[in-house]
Amino acid sequence: SQQGEEDPQALSIQEGENATMNCSYKTSINNLQWYRQNSGRGLVHLILIRSNEREKHSGRLRVTLDTSKKSSSLLITASRAADTASYFCATARSGGSNYKLTFGKGTLLTVNP
Amino acid sequence: DTGVSQDPRHKITKRGQNVTFRCDPISEHNRLYWYRQTLGQGPEFLTYFQNEAQLEKSRLLSDRFSAERPKGSFSTLEIQRTEQGDSAMYLCASGYAESPLHFGNGTRLTVT
Repeated sequence: SQQGEEDPQALSIQEGENATMNCSYKTSINNLQWYRQNSGRGLVHLILIRSNEREKHSGRLRVTLDTSKKSSSLLITASRAADTASYFCATARSGGSNYKLTFGKGTLLTVNP
Repeated sequence: DTGVSQDPRHKITKRGQNVTFRCDPISEHNRLYWYRQTLGQGPEFLTYFQNEAQLEKSRLLSDRFSAERPKGSFSTLEIQRTEQGDSAMYLCASGYAESPLHFGNGTRLTVT
């Protein structure tokens, strides 16, 4: 089963524009992570935000987390054609020995040059 | 850090045959995960190891699927009596503690 649900499912923008993707989840979490996947490849970790954090930045990425609404957003500023990929949010539940990530269905981002 | 490697990259098999995939995680990572991904979907959790112990197996996983991680190093995922519905990308990932996961490039299985 997949906990996270990304919105929109697909997004097409022009180079230089900002891209915003949203993720909603259902249960309490330990942290939320965003991954990127180029076609036919594995996933690459982008950024992790813990449940007690509200906002985090990494380069052109900005992630917010609202645990009261069980939602997160990923903002990519000044997009480039190379940002074209699928983006997935993944939630991690409480720690201990049972630590796994549950992924959403993803947002397919196309950045047109 | 040589990354997570998976072998083979592609596998085409006939329905009813058995297949085995291998994953070599990053050497210092004690956690190893298998996920399955179909077109247009996110990765779906299959099973998880901490060292050599298999700690969780998805309820969606039929008895035809088995995974091992001998000595807590590489892992294998075997699918017996393959069905067309098994066609997917099988992803392996590794990590330690609660760090982000490192994924391999996957094995794409096609069952004809």
